[in-house]
Amino acid sequence: TQLLEQSPQFLSIQEGENLTVYCNSSSVFSSLQWYRQEPGEGPVLLVTVVTGGEVKKLKRLTFQFGDARKDSSLHITAAQPGDTGLYLCAGEGWDSGAGSYQLTFGKGTKLSVIP
Amino acid sequence: GAGVSQSPSNKVTEKGKDVELRCDPISGHTALYWYRQRLGQGLEFLIYFQGNSAPDKSGLPSDRFSAERTGESVSTLTIQRTQQEDSAVYLCASSFVVTEAFFGQGTRLTVV
Repeated sequence: TQLLEQSPQFLSIQEGENLTVYCNSSSVFSSLQWYRQEPGEGPVLLVTVVTGGEVKKLKRLTFQFGDARKDSSLHITAAQPGDTGLYLCAGEGWDSGAGSYQLTFGKGTKLSVIP
Repeated sequence: GAGVSQSPSNKVTEKGKDVELRCDPISGHTALYWYRQRLGQGLEFLIYFQGNSAPDKSGLPSDRFSAERTGESVSTLTIQRTQQEDSAVYLCASSFVVTEAFFGQGTRLTVV
């Protein structure tokens, strides 16, 4: 089974600060997705990155896919209380153990932005 | 419906009882996932179904947990002889092959 490690597991910052969360694996993925989960809801897709080295921006959020397609980062500029939530990465790839293509989710980074 | 539907939304059960959780995926989605999420924690993979392939059961924590899926439709997750540590939100997601995963709102299970 492929594994995705997310760090940090928990992050508490003041409004206006910048932050980066990381998603790492020893496996190569065809693409990598980032999701955000708000309390009481299921996770919702933010972005998909496909090409090694690709950078995508979504307002104050910047997503980067590593050149080797094994890792990704999410950078938030000038964090707002509305950014609070659980951020999950998910890699698409062939899981040889399972014998199928799968989305493999990391455990998530829980972000709290304090006003 | 347009999204992934899970039922019940909340379930309180006594320790030792069996429970069955249901997931109705989006029509046409070949892939279906079950995850467990303890309070304030991240996702814990349980099981994955993809079309008619054998399911990936590698995340099931014990033999008290099992899941079935009928074709590419409804899935049920069964927990036998529930324990207090089984208390969590159980999330189901579906996708078309390995594209965007759509999650249900989850079933909150409380074992007392």
